[in-house]
Amino acid sequence: KNEVEQSPQNLTAQEGEFITINCSYSVGISALHWLQQHPGGGIVSLFMLSSGKKKHGRLIATINIQEKHSSLHITASHPRDSAVYICAVRMNTGNQFYFGTGTSLTVIP
Amino acid sequence: DAGVIQSPRHEVTEMGQEVTLRCKPISGHNSLFWYRQTMMRGLELLIYFNNNVPIDDSGMPEDRFSAKMPNASFSTLKIQPSEPRDSAVYFCASSFALLDRGNEQYFGPGTRLTVT
Repeated sequence: KNEVEQSPQNLTAQEGEFITINCSYSVGISALHWLQQHPGGGIVSLFMLSSGKKKHGRLIATINIQEKHSSLHITASHPRDSAVYICAVRMNTGNQFYFGTGTSLTVIP
Repeated sequence: DAGVIQSPRHEVTEMGQEVTLRCKPISGHNSLFWYRQTMMRGLELLIYFNNNVPIDDSGMPEDRFSAKMPNASFSTLKIQPSEPRDSAVYFCASSFALLDRGNEQYFGPGTRLTVT
């Protein structure tokens, strides 16, 4: 059983669509990270959340601690958003990190 | 700032050889993380340091793996002896964080290791 589950695994969208990627986790956490991995392999940290909501440009991340769930939203999607999005959580006891398997997003022009 | 610097970017070696991966974190950051990524297992945290001290190495797969951080600007991940199953991309990341609080991590470009 994975401590972090992401859905969907793969997602194809038309340019301009609103996109939602979900992350559910089963452990108590101190923080949740959303990472973006570009087709070339580079990884960028998009958000770190411990509560509420954060927004950066067209990206919005929310977290519900009680429901152990987080969502990453992309508004007005663009082909350059095509990447793998990875959810990662840091446990609130000990120092373990757990990673989702990623959501592969393709935005078609 | 140049960001997190890793070297080499690619390494091909034969089974049994020693491999040393290097990382220079962003200046001023006090936390450093070593990750491994494979197709089978995805992204995994191997070890992380805070103020040059290893905090959690429970992700290190076995005794063949060791990591050091002799100072705030340099860390190494060593595999000795290497095995084909160690083939992966190894990422280093750094952040500025207090011990019990996370923060945004900045990733290096990764080292692609192939062990034949």
